[in-house]
Amino acid sequence: SAVISQKPSRDICQRGTSLTIQCQVDSQVTMMFWYRQQPGQSLTLIATANQGSEATYESGFVIDKFPISRPNLTFSTLTVSNMSPEDSSIYLCSVVGQGARTYEQYFGPGTRLTVT
Amino acid sequence: GQQLNQSPQSMFIQEGEDVSMNCTSSSIFNTWLWYKQDPGEGPVLLIALYKAGELTSNGRLTAQFGITRKDSFLNISASIPSDVGIYFCAGSIAGSYQLTFGKGTKLSVIP
Repeated sequence: SAVISQKPSRDICQRGTSLTIQCQVDSQVTMMFWYRQQPGQSLTLIATANQGSEATYESGFVIDKFPISRPNLTFSTLTVSNMSPEDSSIYLCSVVGQGARTYEQYFGPGTRLTVT
Repeated sequence: GQQLNQSPQSMFIQEGEDVSMNCTSSSIFNTWLWYKQDPGEGPVLLIALYKAGELTSNGRLTAQFGITRKDSFLNISASIPSDVGIYFCAGSIAGSYQLTFGKGTKLSVIP
């Protein structure tokens, strides 16, 4: 499976500021996703990062709050804008597998964000 | 949207015991996945299931895709301390790459 890295691994930010999280994959992948995991909770899909076009957002998530870029098949960024304490979560990127494993998803190590 | 009910929410077991957890859905899923998440890390894929009735093993782990396509089970045999973590089920419907996750089962193993 692909090796996925995220930067930063963690950060503490002040409310009202923005943070951009990077996701790098060691091979080209067709689909990348961004998830949020609030403290003690399960994973919730934020959006699908589409290469060369605007991301597809899930209900409850908007582009102004979570702008996403995907300039190529190995890299994506998620920005958490105008942060509030409620944005404190782990943010995870994932990629789909190759070939017969297309419906499997593999996750990065996550970015732990604390907003004060 | 789809919802997954995962149970139990948490388990405390003695080392060496077997563990069983399950997920049920109100919708039919075409794919069931089981993940384990350790503290401070991303979820790691344990087992993927693609066919109703399929039974798949990965070491001491065995998972089954329910015959109704609305449930899945994960069993861990002879638990060891490193099995501690949160186990998530996830499913996707036909033709979709999007996953719906269960709320997780937190496993604690008492040495």
